[in-house]
Amino acid sequence: RKEVEQDPGPFNVPEGATVAFNCTYSNSASQSFFWYRQDCRKEPKLLMSVYSSGNEDGRFTAQLNRASQYISLLIRDSKLSDSATYLCVVPNTGNQFYFGTGTSLTVIP
Amino acid sequence: NAGVTQTPKFQVLKTGQSMTLQCAQDMNHNSMYWYRQDPGMGLRLIYYSASEGTTDKGEVPNGYNVSRLNKREFSLRLESAAPSQTSVYFCASCTLTGDYGYTFGSGTRLTVV
Repeated sequence: RKEVEQDPGPFNVPEGATVAFNCTYSNSASQSFFWYRQDCRKEPKLLMSVYSSGNEDGRFTAQLNRASQYISLLIRDSKLSDSATYLCVVPNTGNQFYFGTGTSLTVIP
Repeated sequence: NAGVTQTPKFQVLKTGQSMTLQCAQDMNHNSMYWYRQDPGMGLRLIYYSASEGTTDKGEVPNGYNVSRLNKREFSLRLESAAPSQTSVYFCASCTLTGDYGYTFGSGTRLTVV
């Protein structure tokens, strides 16, 4: 099993829809997790962090399920500007992190 | 503006040439990283520096060297470029504990022909 796995998609959803991505991880000792957003030909940017059960920021909700070792990202009321690739990040030993390969989202008018 | 600055943004090298990618951060972060990103592979760690004066290998260090010049600067050197090193390179930094995630530079698109 890879350290972190994501469904690459693509997810094509209509504007206003709710969409959710999952990310599974292998290290049960992992404590902090992150979701990054990466636009085409740009650098990844931190979207949300997940430390315990979950985190909510406006239309975005990130949740952690330790028992099943996955984190999820829920986007409500999708906007055209949400179109991007979403990267799941889980910690490795020390101060390193593993990045998922990303889930591609396209919001369609 | 505070952040991570990478240079150059684009580079084309011939096989066997050498070059250094520069990275500097002004956020007083202790840890700095070099990643490469390839289609379908995600971001893979090349080298990292947990603090000034220390460097360690990541997942894919072969063909690269790094220097943590001071707390602000962390450079990546390709001594003899190979086509397999064609990639997008990102520098990143974070606090010692990494609690707040990374801040990335804007990337260097390197092509080795």
